Amino acid sequence: QKEVEQNSGPLSVPEGAIASLNCTYSDRGSQSFFWYRQYSGKSPELIMFIYSNGDKEDGRFTAQLNKASQYVSLLIRDSQPSDSATYLCAVPPPRGATNKLIFGTGTLLAVQP
Amino acid sequence: DAGVTQSPTHLIKTRGQQVTLRCSPKSGHDTVSWYQQALGQGPQFIFQYYEEEERQRGNFPDRFSGHQFPNYSSELNVNALLLGDSALYLCASSLGTGGFMSSPLHFGNGTRLTVT
Repeated sequence: QKEVEQNSGPLSVPEGAIASLNCTYSDRGSQSFFWYRQYSGKSPELIMFIYSNGDKEDGRFTAQLNKASQYVSLLIRDSQPSDSATYLCAVPPPRGATNKLIFGTGTLLAVQP
Repeated sequence: DAGVTQSPTHLIKTRGQQVTLRCSPKSGHDTVSWYQQALGQGPQFIFQYYEEEERQRGNFPDRFSGHQFPNYSSELNVNALLLGDSALYLCASSLGTGGFMSSPLHFGNGTRLTVT
C-alpha cells in the first residue's frame, strides 16, 4: 500500500461547479496534511494545510480531514478554468524524521469553460 | 522578496556523465531540500541540508550528493547518470527544521534534466 494515494484523474468539472479532490494515507499516526497545486511545467505551490479533524476554509478552498477514515480532501468551490492543474497531497512521516514530505502522485483537474 | 531560484532551467546530459544543479533559497530561509519528480509522479524526497550538513536522506543511491554553502545556497550533484535519472529536480526551502506547519516548503521552478 502506498503511503499517500490519490486518483490520478483527470477529474473534469464544469466552470462554476465544486471540484472534490481526495487523498488517503496509510499511517494512522500522521498529524498534518498539505495540499499543493502544480501547473504544467511549473513548481508546486502550497494552497493550504490542515491538522485538525473537520474543515478548514480559505477563500474558495476547503480542506477536510477525517483521521478515523484516514482521508483528507480538498474542495474547490466555483471552479474556474484557471484552477486547471495537478493537485498534490503531501504528508510528513509521523515518526522519526520529519524533515521531508511524502507526496501522492497528484490528481489532474480540468475545469471546462 | 526573491523566491527560490534554480539553475539551469533545462539540461541535457549523456548517460555516464555527471551533473550539478544549483539552488538559492527564498530570502530568510536557511534550509534546503531537494526532490526528484518523474513525469506523472509526485515529488520524491532526495535529501535536506541545514547548517551545511545533510540532515535527512531519502531512498536515493550515493550517486546523488549535495552541498550547502554558508549563504544557504545548495548544489545537487548526480554522478554516473542513468536514463532513469531524467526528471524535474525541485529545490525547496524553509526556515529551520521545526516542521512544515511553522515553515511550509517553498519550491523553485525546477531543473528539467534529460539523460540520453
